[in-house]
Amino acid sequence: GIQVEQSPPDLILQEGANSTLRCNFSDSVNNLQWFHQNPWGQLINLFYIPSGTKQNGRLSATTVATERYSLLYISSSQTTDSGVYFCAVEADNAGNMLTFGGGTRLMVKP
Amino acid sequence: ETGVTQSPTHLIKTRGQQVTLRCSSQSGHNTVSWYQQALGQGPQFIFQYYREEENGRGNFPPRFSGLQFPNYSSELNVNALELDDSALYLCASRSYNEQFFGPGTRLTVL
Repeated sequence: GIQVEQSPPDLILQEGANSTLRCNFSDSVNNLQWFHQNPWGQLINLFYIPSGTKQNGRLSATTVATERYSLLYISSSQTTDSGVYFCAVEADNAGNMLTFGGGTRLMVKP
Repeated sequence: ETGVTQSPTHLIKTRGQQVTLRCSSQSGHNTVSWYQQALGQGPQFIFQYYREEENGRGNFPPRFSGLQFPNYSSELNVNALELDDSALYLCASRSYNEQFFGPGTRLTVL
């Protein structure tokens, strides 16, 4: 099956810093989503981005499907950005099944 | 708010028991998926239901079973609970190509 790798696995930032999270995937996909999991376990949708670039406030994402990677940018980080960020993909031949990466655990210090 | 609700929020069972977890999604979202998230890992796909029929399954044994009802609610049933079944169980509802997750049920098996 498709493999999804996220980097870095852990990240500690000072409030106000910028960061880039990376997601590599091993096969063609027809869906890619970024999620933020809060401390209570809720997965919050950040982006649906199978290709191209999107921006939402301080967050933006870019997916280069032909090169099989996606990037999530966080600018001017805040303590509320802390949590785990997951990339999840649907492979072309896998129906609607999402395969998740291992996540990036982000801690933003005041 | 994702429009997906789950119950109960927490549950404690003993090894060998059976458990039923419930999910309710938005009207019109006729695809529901269930995921298991072990501590420190990304969610793993269990199975998916579309119009009350199972139409995709991950690498989980038959003691994991499910139902979907005409009112867009769904159940996950796990028989003969094992210690390794302790996890956060997430239900997801699909709207167009994007999946939205409920808050999860945290199951502890003692």
